[in-house]
Amino acid sequence: DGGITQSPKYLFRKEGQNVTLSCEQNLNHDAMYWYRQDPGQGLRLIYYSQIVNDFQKGDIAEGYSVSREKKESFPLTVTSAQKNPTAFYLCASSITGTSGSGEQFFGPGTRLTVL
Amino acid sequence: GENVEQHPSTLSVQEGDSAVIKCTYSDSASNYFPWYKQELGKRPQLIIDIRSNVGEKKDQRIAVTLNKTAKHFSLHITETQPEDSAVYFCAASNRNTGNQFYFGTGTSLTVIP
Repeated sequence: DGGITQSPKYLFRKEGQNVTLSCEQNLNHDAMYWYRQDPGQGLRLIYYSQIVNDFQKGDIAEGYSVSREKKESFPLTVTSAQKNPTAFYLCASSITGTSGSGEQFFGPGTRLTVL
Repeated sequence: GENVEQHPSTLSVQEGDSAVIKCTYSDSASNYFPWYKQELGKRPQLIIDIRSNVGEKKDQRIAVTLNKTAKHFSLHITETQPEDSAVYFCAASNRNTGNQFYFGTGTSLTVIP
């Protein structure tokens, strides 16, 4: 069953703690992305990776870190330096290059709440 | 970088009427424009997309138009149904330099039965 999965679905964190959100895909996509979604706002890009062992900052990377050790996995760590981490986090993946569909496929999301 | 603006932020229509959502973008190098539908608590899903070498694309009740000169594109939904109620996002990307999407802020569409 192909797709992109995220875990956990809900996550609660105390202030000052780091937490890691999981994202896995079996679509054989080279590119993976992390977005943050806040009420009334669009999706804002945190980090993206177009190939294993390489990633770039998006528009709101401060307070976040990522790794891309495997093609299938792109975990996001929300560090204590992120001032307002409560949000809905979405992971996505896509093929790279200009041929074929440019669609990004989204995971079901993780809702992070800081207590 | 790219800046995408989307209007209106909320839209209510009677069932059977048409709905139009408009987006503008700033980077003339953008060449791919997808539209996503997101139901409450769910993941965004692609409903239609258009490349910069095409001016219009239709898929049943949904159509997208693109004006490259004016740098704007629009989503048209005809014969709206209650199940069309959702938040719709437009996005722009340059597939020649990676596929990073720049999203609009979304339009909450309500179709009144």
